[in-house]
Amino acid sequence: AQSVTQPDIHITVSEGASLELRCNYSYGATPYLFWYVQSPGQGLQLLLKYFSGDTLVQGIKGFEAEFKRSQSSFNLRKPSVHWSDAAEYFCAVGARDGNKLVFGAGTILRVKS
Amino acid sequence: DTAVSQTPKYLVTQMGNDKSIKCEQNLGHDTMYWYKQDSKKFLKIMFSYNNKELIINETVPNRFSPKSPDKAHLNLHINSLELGDSAVYFCASSSTRPGELFFGEGSRLTVL
Repeated sequence: AQSVTQPDIHITVSEGASLELRCNYSYGATPYLFWYVQSPGQGLQLLLKYFSGDTLVQGIKGFEAEFKRSQSSFNLRKPSVHWSDAAEYFCAVGARDGNKLVFGAGTILRVKS
Repeated sequence: DTAVSQTPKYLVTQMGNDKSIKCEQNLGHDTMYWYKQDSKKFLKIMFSYNNKELIINETVPNRFSPKSPDKAHLNLHINSLELGDSAVYFCASSSTRPGELFFGEGSRLTVL
């Protein structure tokens, strides 16, 4: 069965600092991997996705993520965080043969000025 | 123009009541979903429809009944509401690329 672990429940970074949010997945084959962001009171928005090919993927809002098969990880990064990035971030894994996504428990990002 | 819209946004009701949440998408997508987000923000799929046909039905009590009158609409009816049903219910849709979901803003259900 697929599963996703986001080890950090909360992360606080200073505005302008770099960010890395961790995500580890469990899946028997090469999965589809996603990062979504949820602002307070809003639905989730897709930040980026990995299907195949280049293991470093670029997304919206200056985010990127790197797929590391050997570590079963798909960590999200941003070189310089803005106050508007404060939100909750969800990593998700999906099977290649279907639409069912399994989400991690989320990481709340706080940005201090 | 809202891509995926849900109504109502907030719903407060008593235990034992029946309630419905409606969802509409104007993206032309074939697949729609209901996800439940509990108080700990854990998000879990409940149902998925592809072009009005049920394709994913997770272990959900049969008090929950989805209905898709056409591929742009997916409604969720809940009978005999229980305290544990309190959550935020998200509707989503997707096109042909698996996992690329477009979410609505959610419907917060509170059962008293």
